[in-house]
Amino acid sequence: GAVVSQHPSRVICKSGTSVKIECRSLDFQATTMFWYRQFPKQSLMLMATSNEGSKATYEQGVEKDKFLINHASLTLSTLTVTSAHPEDSSFYICSANWRNEQFFGPGTRLTVL
Amino acid sequence: LAKTTQPVSMDSYEGQEVNITCSHNNIATNDYITWYQQFPSQGPRFIIQGYKTKVTNEVASLFIPADRKSSTLSLPRVSLSDTAVYYCLVGGIYNQGGKLIFGQGTELSVKP
Repeated sequence: GAVVSQHPSRVICKSGTSVKIECRSLDFQATTMFWYRQFPKQSLMLMATSNEGSKATYEQGVEKDKFLINHASLTLSTLTVTSAHPEDSSFYICSANWRNEQFFGPGTRLTVL
Repeated sequence: LAKTTQPVSMDSYEGQEVNITCSHNNIATNDYITWYQQFPSQGPRFIIQGYKTKVTNEVASLFIPADRKSSTLSLPRVSLSDTAVYYCLVGGIYNQGGKLIFGQGTELSVKP
């Protein structure tokens, strides 16, 4: 099966700083990747669709200027949380499609102090 | 995208068969039905996918009636390690670029 990795797995930052999370498809190319956010005891919420070589598509209510997405290559998408605040603390998960199946990364736990 | 409805939680005992049913009344013609398993602080893991009738793999079976408005995930002889949240999703790579919308999921608790 296909493998999706994320880095870092955990990150702690101070309020007001920016944090970058990487999502990589290790053994396949992905023109489209997805970013989700998950709060404790809740389901995954789709934030945006990352498109290689073009702008990301954001879901309603997600601030595109706060959550910057870059999909510069067929194997890498990055999510940058700008000017992070404690309410941005969450579990961020990416995914990518391969052969009509969506593979998820292991997630990144962001804690904003 | 089709909305899904599942029970919020289920309890079971080791060795029992567990059936989790998902309703998806608005499923589209080209939608697949996919089930994922998620453990705490991990990304979801693919369990099984189907389009119609029955699909079986080494970990589960998926039953889909002819009208495809519901589906049932069957886990044979569950163990404690099957305690997790199970999500039913409807969509597909050919539908809106593969975008999947997660519902609330079913929290399965397996007891000894």
